[in-house]
Amino acid sequence: KNQVEQSPQSLIILEGKNCTLQCNYTVSPFSNLRWYKQDTGRGPVSLTIMTFSENTKSNGRYTATLDADTKQSSLHITASQLSDSASYICVVSDGGYNKLIFGAGTRLAVHP
Amino acid sequence: NAGVTQTPKFRVLKTGQSMTLLCAQDMNHEYMYWYRQDPGMGLRLIHYSVGEGTTAKGEVPDGYNVSRLKKQNFLLGLESAAPSQTSVYFCASSWGTRDLNTEAFFGQGTRLTVV
Repeated sequence: KNQVEQSPQSLIILEGKNCTLQCNYTVSPFSNLRWYKQDTGRGPVSLTIMTFSENTKSNGRYTATLDADTKQSSLHITASQLSDSASYICVVSDGGYNKLIFGAGTRLAVHP
Repeated sequence: NAGVTQTPKFRVLKTGQSMTLLCAQDMNHEYMYWYRQDPGMGLRLIHYSVGEGTTAKGEVPDGYNVSRLKKQNFLLGLESAAPSQTSVYFCASSWGTRDLNTEAFFGQGTRLTVV
């Protein structure tokens, strides 16, 4: 069964600190892996998209890595800001009509 | 830029009532999707459409129907609402090309409560 698992479920960090979120997937076939940010009460917004041939991609203070061999990805947030408080969702596409398999997300709280 | 707009944003239904959720996109996207998001779970695909006049079942289609009469609109219907359909519903759209690494854009969500 295609699954995407994220850890930790929730995380609290202090403003200015770095953090790393993890994603493991068992999706086949694999087309691409995406990280989304979802603010409370809003829809998900894309941060990065990576294909199997890409092992890192950055978007400002967000850097995603992908190891297609071990089927693992991580999202690293540098110098966190209060506005980074949100859920971060790992999503894998199996390439079928752009069908997406969603993880349950990691809820990040950045405290001053 | 409106992007993907969902109507309504909130709704409370009584068990057995019917309603329609409207999704409109102004990006000329071919593909449109309806998802539901429940606590502790990832978004799950209800139905999707790869073009005007076409629809297909997703992972959790039971109790829902959809229609795509116009390219820019994708309607999700609940014929007889049940408490198990209490959820947050998201519509999304994306380009429908051979390049499947295309961005999906999401609406703001509709919070539905069935009592």
